[in-house]
Amino acid sequence: VQLVESGGGFIQPGRSLRLSCKASGFIFGDYALSWVRQAPGKGLEWVGFIRSKTYGGTPEYAASVKGRFIISRDDSGEIAYLQMNSLKTEDTAMYYCARNVLTGYESSHFDYWGQGGLVTVSS
Amino acid sequence: ENVLTQSPGTLSLSPGERATLSCRASQSVNNNYLAWYQEKFGQAPRLLIYGAHSRATGISERFSGSGSGTDFSLTISRLEPEDSAVYYCQQYGSPQSTFGQGTRVDI
Repeated sequence: VQLVESGGGFIQPGRSLRLSCKASGFIFGDYALSWVRQAPGKGLEWVGFIRSKTYGGTPEYAASVKGRFIISRDDSGEIAYLQMNSLKTEDTAMYYCARNVLTGYESSHFDYWGQGGLVTVSS
Repeated sequence: ENVLTQSPGTLSLSPGERATLSCRASQSVNNNYLAWYQEKFGQAPRLLIYGAHSRATGISERFSGSGSGTDFSLTISRLEPEDSAVYYCQQYGSPQSTFGQGTRVDI
């Protein structure tokens, strides 16, 4: 199992950025995928997740990003996306994608993580 | 939002000792869906415990989880230098998951 994030970088406040999480080594369509971030020197923060198509393919978000971030998935390409809009300096963090262990409608713990993609929001 | 509060913030212990880390939830965690992770510098977190007390695959028996409702604990017995890390609890009993702020363990 591998999860590889890409698309991070330096971006100005108010702009948009999209992260990708390319998966391999498992049947991507069977799993929900989550995004977790970690600001420099801080703890882990759950960002949100997207259910498998079997359970509607619908997302859930943390209150801190709801309305600004959009999680989507492309099962044929085995990729999950995190579209980040109206970025703020406090969104600066390492962003990890992670595979949910539990399938279904609920949230989950995570058994595999990517190595992370760094997003820096600054003017 | 179910807020998780971990204590203590930092734990400094010697090899061979036992560490007990606490995680308290502001609301009862549904189905005791509480996990623990170990994070070492520069590495992605590693799942240790799920469902409050079940060890993840490949995790040493020195790691054990307990608790239910709002109070949970992670115990690390016979500490080894490699156990130096930050430990996080996570609740996933609601659609919006949350993490605790972490406990740093120094050996």
